Amino acid sequence: AQSVTQLGSHVSVSEGALVLLRCNYSSSVPPYLFWYVQYPNQGLQLLLKYTSAATLVKGINGFEAEFKKSETSFHLTKPSAHMSDAAEYFCAVRGGGGGFKTIFGAGTRLFVKA
Amino acid sequence: EAGVTQFPSHSVIEKGQTVTLRCDPISGHDNLYWYRRVMGKEIKFLLHFVKESKQDESGMPNNRFLAERTGGTYSTLKVQPAELEDSGVYFCASSPRGPYGYTFGSGTRLTVV
Repeated sequence: AQSVTQLGSHVSVSEGALVLLRCNYSSSVPPYLFWYVQYPNQGLQLLLKYTSAATLVKGINGFEAEFKKSETSFHLTKPSAHMSDAAEYFCAVRGGGGGFKTIFGAGTRLFVKA
Repeated sequence: EAGVTQFPSHSVIEKGQTVTLRCDPISGHDNLYWYRRVMGKEIKFLLHFVKESKQDESGMPNNRFLAERTGGTYSTLKVQPAELEDSGVYFCASSPRGPYGYTFGSGTRLTVV
């Protein structure tokens, strides 16, 4: 069975500081991995995805994530936080083949301090 | 292109009543998913359509929930009769076939009182 664990339900950083949101997954088959972001009163928006190509994936708004098979991790980073990055972030996993449901982590709410 | 549209955006109903949520996916997306998030908890899978067929409905809580996808286009999720624990935000998402991410709608916030 697939599962996703996001470490830290809340993360607070200062504007301009590094953003690091942690995600570990378990999957019995090579997975597809995703990060989504949700702004208040909106649906989830895809930030980036890993689908077995390059292990370092670049997404929108300056975010990137690195797939590390040995650590079963897919942490999300951004070098410099901006106030507009304040939102809730979800890591998600889906089995290989693209035909299976996506399992979401519990979410990490990012706060950015001025 | 138009995104995924859900309506209503909010619904408040009394326990025992019936509510129908609708989702219009992106045109041409074969995959349609329903998810629910209750009280800030995890986003839980409800079911998955491929065109008009239910591919996986393992997440449907019980037989009070009925989902349909007419002609492989829009989908409805009916809750009958609604219970207090059904309150939450119901999200619909669609995707093409293949290893793609989902496009989500803005969700329907259902409150059962």
